[in-house]
Amino acid sequence: VQLVEAGGVGVQPGGSVRLSCEVSGFTFDDFAMHWVRQAPGKGLEWVSLITWDGGGRNYADSVKGRTTISRDNSKKSLFLEMKSLRPEDTAVYYCVKDGNYGPPGYFFDFWGLGTLVTVSS
Amino acid sequence: DIQLTQSPSFLSASVGDTVTITCRASQGIRSDFAWYQQKPGKAPKLLIYAATTLQIGVPSRFSGSGSGTEFTLTISSLQSEDFATYYCQQFNTFPFTFGPGTKVDIK
Repeated sequence: VQLVEAGGVGVQPGGSVRLSCEVSGFTFDDFAMHWVRQAPGKGLEWVSLITWDGGGRNYADSVKGRTTISRDNSKKSLFLEMKSLRPEDTAVYYCVKDGNYGPPGYFFDFWGLGTLVTVSS
Repeated sequence: DIQLTQSPSFLSASVGDTVTITCRASQGIRSDFAWYQQKPGKAPKLLIYAATTLQIGVPSRFSGSGSGTEFTLTISSLQSEDFATYYCQQFNTFPFTFGPGTKVDIK
């Protein structure tokens, strides 16, 4: 199983970013996927979930309303678009596979290496 | 949101020791609970899910117990590769939340 994130950048407050994650080693459209982030030197924060078919999406309150999670099963890819970025969004963003086949189990069995988003003026 | 508190925050131990980390939830979460290990500069790794189920490939010296509001992670016969930070996570209720972490360091 491999998950490879891309798209992390330095951006000014108020800007936007689109993260992507390409996966291999498992049947992508059999599993829900998540984004989890970690601010520098801090703990883990769950950001968003998307079900296997994209029909169900959930967001942490801290990003709700300015974030969209999506997926392209034909390309085995997961995406996270964030707008109106704030300094507190600065973090490593991990693409994470749900641990349960089919319906989400909501625990995380495989993680990518992460991509760093830095929000600073 | 469900708050998770971990104790201790920091633990100093020697190879061969048995260590126990506790995580308490602010409300009952049944067994909707997991433990992760993270080493510096690396992504977290799933150790245990459903409070007691060992993830495939994780050594049997790791074990989990508990349900409801109190959970423990026990590492029997600590190995050098076990020095890391350990996080608990609840997946009973949105938003899923993590504990603040317990750093296990070499004595």
